[in-house]
Amino acid sequence: EAEVAQSPRYKITEKSQAVAFWCDPISGHATLYWYRQILGQGPELLVQFQDESVVDDSQLPKDRFSAERLKGVDSTLKIQPAELGDSAMYLCASSQTSIFAEQFFGPGTRLTVL
Amino acid sequence: LAKTTQPISMDSYEGQEVNITCSHNNIATNDYITWYQQFPSQGPRFIIQGYKTKVTNEVASLFIPADRKSSTLSLPRVSLSDTAVYYCLVGDRMDSNYQLIWGAGTKLIIKP
Repeated sequence: EAEVAQSPRYKITEKSQAVAFWCDPISGHATLYWYRQILGQGPELLVQFQDESVVDDSQLPKDRFSAERLKGVDSTLKIQPAELGDSAMYLCASSQTSIFAEQFFGPGTRLTVL
Repeated sequence: LAKTTQPISMDSYEGQEVNITCSHNNIATNDYITWYQQFPSQGPRFIIQGYKTKVTNEVASLFIPADRKSSTLSLPRVSLSDTAVYYCLVGDRMDSNYQLIWGAGTKLIIKP
């Protein structure tokens, strides 16, 4: 069964450092989502791509976060500089179409900022 | 903007039916309501989706009243492996923007 791949699974960094997360969606899925999930809370959508275009990045802290999906396939989420409050699980999901389609989630990257 | 409200936690016993309700007072009229399950250290997993009335699949049922201001996820005959966090997900439209709204989740604990 096809799965969404994410790496790394765990990342520990010091504040003010740069970090990057990678996501490879299920083949053929046009829509890709990046979420942040703080322990004990629901997922918070950071950015949504349709192919290579950003559909929604209204909740992305653009002063320090950036995301790209250059060829409309895999995607990278970057934080620079990292802050203590960025410690969370970063989840990537993909779906065949946008809006109502079932989202398939990857295992996530657990980020700890010291 | 739409807002969702779910109970923070629920307990039940193996073999019982569990119903989890999500209130969503202002979702867009043509949007679906979706429920996800999440185990610790894993991403959420799709359970069921509906627009109105009742939807049933092999793992759950979803009841949506006519006013669509709430939805109830029903898990029949739960087992210990159903212990997880359950999220409802709705959409909202503000002007021309569409946003996904996740609930805070309901932690379901199944006891033997």
